[in-house]
Amino acid sequence: NAGVTQTPKFQVLKTGQSMTLQCAQDMNHEYMSWYRQDPGMGLRLIHYSVGAGITDQGEVPNGYNVSRSTTEDFPLRLLSAAPSQTSVYFCASTNRQGTYEQYFGPGTRLTVT
Amino acid sequence: SQQGEEDPQALSIQEGENATMNCSYKTSINNLQWYRQNSGRGLVHLILIRSNEREKHSGRLRVTLDTSKKSSSLLITASRAADTASYFCATLPFGNEKLTFGTGTRLTIIP
Repeated sequence: NAGVTQTPKFQVLKTGQSMTLQCAQDMNHEYMSWYRQDPGMGLRLIHYSVGAGITDQGEVPNGYNVSRSTTEDFPLRLLSAAPSQTSVYFCASTNRQGTYEQYFGPGTRLTVT
Repeated sequence: SQQGEEDPQALSIQEGENATMNCSYKTSINNLQWYRQNSGRGLVHLILIRSNEREKHSGRLRVTLDTSKKSSSLLITASRAADTASYFCATLPFGNEKLTFGTGTRLTIIP
């Protein structure tokens, strides 16, 4: 099993550009989530999904969109990138029938200039 | 806002010593989890303690939970250089599926 995979690993965007961060998992987990990690702030939840077709907002959803058309994939879209979105982004998944122990991807380091 | 706050923010100890880090949280929880993050990597789950448990062990890890004080501690015994990492607590609130992370403790083991 590959676990949770994320692409790209690194990305530089100009202000106003859009892009999609990809996340996929092969563990058949219903629950998937996106976090951003900033220095001194820990991880903050952006959006999450409890199954295909169902998404909900986390703590810091503004400027981001998500969709969940399949169990495996949970892409995160930046509609119009801003310097404040410079961060490291982590995708995670878990089995809702368990204790919500999260499996994390390796992260995407995004810089917006 | 962050549900969990770790203390201390940074900790440096000699190899072989024990490391203790603490986590405080704000609301009633279903469980509390600890994760490790090596530099530049994703988080890895270490140990979970449920709200009805007071102490749990896994190898060199010992976690305690005091729900009356809304706090938890993670003890790493006989530390090794490979334990150098950031450690985060995360809480799963009751009736809520949003796992919320604290700000982390940066642990450095000095060989």
